[in-house]
Amino acid sequence: SQQGEEDPQALSIQEGENATMNCSYKTSINNLQWYRQNSGRGLVHLILIRSNEREKHSGRLRVTLDTSKKSSSLLITASRAADTASYFCATVVSNTGKLIFGQGTTLQVKP
Amino acid sequence: GAGVSQSPRYKVAKRGQDVALRCDPISGHVSLFWYQQALGQGPEFLTYFQNEAQLDKSGLPSDRFFAERPEGSVSTLKIQRTQQEDSAVYLCASSLGDRGRGNTIYFGEGSWLTVV
Repeated sequence: SQQGEEDPQALSIQEGENATMNCSYKTSINNLQWYRQNSGRGLVHLILIRSNEREKHSGRLRVTLDTSKKSSSLLITASRAADTASYFCATVVSNTGKLIFGQGTTLQVKP
Repeated sequence: GAGVSQSPRYKVAKRGQDVALRCDPISGHVSLFWYQQALGQGPEFLTYFQNEAQLDKSGLPSDRFFAERPEGSVSTLKIQRTQQEDSAVYLCASSLGDRGRGNTIYFGEGSWLTVV
């Protein structure tokens, strides 16, 4: 079963606003990855943050990782309608290589 | 190819029928994963290969599910005697290194299975 929980489950914002999604996990990890999934499509890798990193940026994306709280957040700045999708965090469980997903956050960006 | 390729993209199977889903990982990728994603849920791990060795099959839901990767590249997920609860998207993923540790894991578009 999945070990991650994401919050909120659904988020609706206006274009130009920022969107923040949170993810919590249970076991120790090697790294945490965020993925986007458009409706009916496969998963697209967004960003990977290693367990010894605290923050990472990629374009309009900012990811933080707090291993003491077993949590991560994904911030999308200046959102666009094209950002509408489901976003999943996934952790690589130490010593297994297994990628465990959360339930996802469904983001709707209104034009 | 440039990405992970899966076929067929869509499959409708009658209950009781056997199905085979194919995955072509990114060339040279050592690790290969299969995931099952039900509608509205996150992907659930099924099985993991390192080259041709199936090192983890703990997520396979029953003995009707079987996966192989005989030459360490292409993989096939076979579902025997399909049931309605098998209806889901089956996602294949690959990564360059051993067990995906520290490596980006790339996903295919998925095979959408509907059992009627």
